[in-house]
Amino acid sequence: KAGVTQTPRYLIKTRGQQVTLSCSPISGHRSVSWYQQTPGQGLQFLFEYFSETQRNKGNFPGRFSGRQFSNSRSEMNVSTLELGDSALYLCASSLAGPEAGTQYFGPGTRLTVL
Amino acid sequence: GQQLNQSPQSMFIQEGEDVSMNCTSSSIFNTWLWYKQDPGEGPVLLIALYKAGELTSNGRLTAQFGITRKDSFLNISASIPSDVGIYFCFGAGNMLTFGGGTRLMVKP
Repeated sequence: KAGVTQTPRYLIKTRGQQVTLSCSPISGHRSVSWYQQTPGQGLQFLFEYFSETQRNKGNFPGRFSGRQFSNSRSEMNVSTLELGDSALYLCASSLAGPEAGTQYFGPGTRLTVL
Repeated sequence: GQQLNQSPQSMFIQEGEDVSMNCTSSSIFNTWLWYKQDPGEGPVLLIALYKAGELTSNGRLTAQFGITRKDSFLNISASIPSDVGIYFCFGAGNMLTFGGGTRLMVKP
């Protein structure tokens, strides 16, 4: 069974630009969660989508948004990029959601904002 | 961002030693998960705990869900070099929160 895939793996943007990251979950998984990982703040929960609906949301500004498609693939968008948005963005998929059981992480997309 | 209090933040290990780490919170959680992350990769699930008081083992790893539902610990017995990495606890309840991580390094 293929694991969670994320594209692109690396991305360089400049301040003010916007970016879209993609996550393909494990086949059959309907929940996709997004996390931001930085050296200073550690791993922080962004949001979770289940069957195309946002079910949980972390404490991030509205510049961070996401969506999920009918095939469970998910995208995350960050608008008006700031230097502090430089981070590793991880997505994780699970059958029923991170709070209900196990979740499997992708390798991440490393975003650098210049 | 809000995080679980995970300790220690880092520790050196010598092959064969036992290792302990824990996470505490003022909030109650329904699920505790323990992950390990190697450089350049996403976290990999080690152990999942679903009930207060539950004690679960996975090879040399043992983890417990605290009876108050506010804490969890992970033990690694007879450590080996490939245990090096960063270990994270993850609590799921009204909020979904990671601990700050415990970095295991090899003693020189």
